[in-house]
Amino acid sequence: GNSVTQMEGPVTLSEEAFLTINCTYTATGYPSLFWYVQYPGEGLQLLLKATKADDKGSNKGFEATYRKETTSFHLEKGSVQVSDSAVYFCALRSPGAQKLVFGQGTRLTINP
Amino acid sequence: EAGVTQSPTHLIKTRGQQATLRCSPISGHTSVYWYQQALGLGLQFLLWYDEGEERNRGNFPPRFSGRQFPNYSSELNVNALELEDSALYLCASSLGQGSNQPQHFGDGTRLSIL
Repeated sequence: GNSVTQMEGPVTLSEEAFLTINCTYTATGYPSLFWYVQYPGEGLQLLLKATKADDKGSNKGFEATYRKETTSFHLEKGSVQVSDSAVYFCALRSPGAQKLVFGQGTRLTINP
Repeated sequence: EAGVTQSPTHLIKTRGQQATLRCSPISGHTSVYWYQQALGLGLQFLLWYDEGEERNRGNFPPRFSGRQFPNYSSELNVNALELEDSALYLCASSLGQGSNQPQHFGDGTRLSIL
């Protein structure tokens, strides 16, 4: 079946550090890939998406590239801020399917 | 544009009771999804409604049910509540059925079973 694996957290970084959160997936065909962010006490917010191989999604300084050859969709940001502290979820949605399949989430804490 | 709205924010019940959770999708969105976010279990797909019909359900017992109204809002009903039903229940909506249509989430209803 389809699945998403994220790097285990929690991840703690200093402000202005470089961020990478790894995400790999298993799916048939060409799924759409998403990163969602969950701030404390809130629901999920769509951060970025990519719908085909080699697409790069970007938003708020975050980027992720859909890599079909490595079945990966790693999240990166060049300089993190304290306000980026949250839980990040990688997710996929297979063609013809409606449900999102989520990774386990990675808790990110940024210290000033 | 208003986002997905869910009510109530918090709900406290006891074992054996029934709970009703409500969701209003973004205007123009016809698909509504329900997910359960339980501690240690991550986000699990519960139900999908589109155009008033249940289209798909996840691996949950029949006591989890729901419906979608003509205005596309939705209810999730959980009968015979059990302690393990304590979780954050998230509703999402999307424009259509295409797999590249992103789902937009509400802030959730936190259900606590005592």
